[in-house]
Amino acid sequence: RKEVEQDPGPFNVPEGATVAFNCTYSNSASQSFFWYRQDCRKEPKLLMSVYSSGNEDGRFTAQLNRASQYISLLIRDSKLSDSATYLCVVTHSGNTPLVFGKGTRLSVIA
Amino acid sequence: GAVVSQHPSRVICKSGTSVKIECRSLDFQATTMFWYRQFPKQSLMLMATSNEGSKATYEQGVEKDKFLINHASLTLSTLTVTSAHPEDSSFYICSAGLDLALEAFFGQGTRLTVV
Repeated sequence: RKEVEQDPGPFNVPEGATVAFNCTYSNSASQSFFWYRQDCRKEPKLLMSVYSSGNEDGRFTAQLNRASQYISLLIRDSKLSDSATYLCVVTHSGNTPLVFGKGTRLSVIA
Repeated sequence: GAVVSQHPSRVICKSGTSVKIECRSLDFQATTMFWYRQFPKQSLMLMATSNEGSKATYEQGVEKDKFLINHASLTLSTLTVTSAHPEDSSFYICSAGLDLALEAFFGQGTRLTVV
């Protein structure tokens, strides 16, 4: 079983739609959780960290359920510029490498 | 914020030759840097952990004699792909951070094509 699993998609949605991505992780010792965004042929960039209490940044909401080892990302009012691959990422501590999911590809269509 | 710079961004080389990729932390000192590889439609896979002043730690299945890592200073780590073969063609990317529990910063990545 992979340490971080995501639905690869692709998710093809119209502009303005709401879309949700899910992710599960297998290592219960994981301590920090993130969503990164990766555009085609580019490096990943941090979208947001994920906290147990849930957090929101504009149109983006992230949730963490430690008991179920489950992470989610909700994007509301999708924009064309949201088209990218969204990577679920976990790490065990401050100086250990990030572990990446395979990514979920999103295409927002006009 | 912290910046990591990687060079070159793209390289094409012939089979059997070696290619060196540099990863620099521009405004912070990184005792540890990480090297990842990403094949098309795959996730980023950790290749090795680069430790300043000591030997790199390689992940299972990554040949240390083929992928040479040197971390001679607190701001520079290099990955050399020796005797490159077409199957080594991939996207190589480094990362570092002051505290990875907060955020990791990535180099721009190097797209290697071996012909």
